[in-house]
Amino acid sequence: AQSVSQHNHHVILSEAASLELGCNYSYGGTVNLFWYVQYPGQHLQLLLKYFSGDPLVKGIKGFEAEFIKSKFSFNLRKPSVQWSDTAEYFCAVTPYSSASKIIFGSGTRLSIRP
Amino acid sequence: SQTIHQWPATLVQPVGSPLSLECTVEGTSNPNLYWYRQAAGRGLQLLFYSVGIGQISSEVPQNLSASRPQDRQFILSSKKLLLSDSGFYLCASSGVAGPYEQYFGPGTRLTVT
Repeated sequence: AQSVSQHNHHVILSEAASLELGCNYSYGGTVNLFWYVQYPGQHLQLLLKYFSGDPLVKGIKGFEAEFIKSKFSFNLRKPSVQWSDTAEYFCAVTPYSSASKIIFGSGTRLSIRP
Repeated sequence: SQTIHQWPATLVQPVGSPLSLECTVEGTSNPNLYWYRQAAGRGLQLLFYSVGIGQISSEVPQNLSASRPQDRQFILSSKKLLLSDSGFYLCASSGVAGPYEQYFGPGTRLTVT
């Protein structure tokens, strides 16, 4: 069955530390990949997306993610986190040609110590 | 960009009572629409999706149903709520062509007592 794994359930960092959140998926075909973020009390919103081209994609607020096809991974990175990055982060995958099979990971809660 | 409205924001209902949650979309036409349930530590579970008026696909067999009476209206219903229906319900919308990035509503917190 198709799945998305986010192995880090809760990550705690100090401000200015570097961040990497893991995301691995299982699907054999071409995929679209997303990271969503949910700040406390706010809607889920799109952080960045990949659907073709350069496997290193840049999103809002200094986040970036790299698609490594051979590893079925789409890890999220930020070189220097801020207290305002405290949020829950979700990785999601859809097959390239289908809107119906959208699979979300279980989420990673990120807490930043000021 | 698309704006998703959901109501009510919170709801407390007794076991066995009916349910109707509404979602409407602004800023697009003929969107794909989705209902999710979000549980802490378990991510988002896709419940239903719709690619057009009257077209509903169910991802998980359960006590809930969905309907799409208008292009930009999506309703989640139940005839008799169970305790296990408690949760946070999210409506989302996406375009009809890839890559299907989704826009989410504010959600409804349902507590079944």
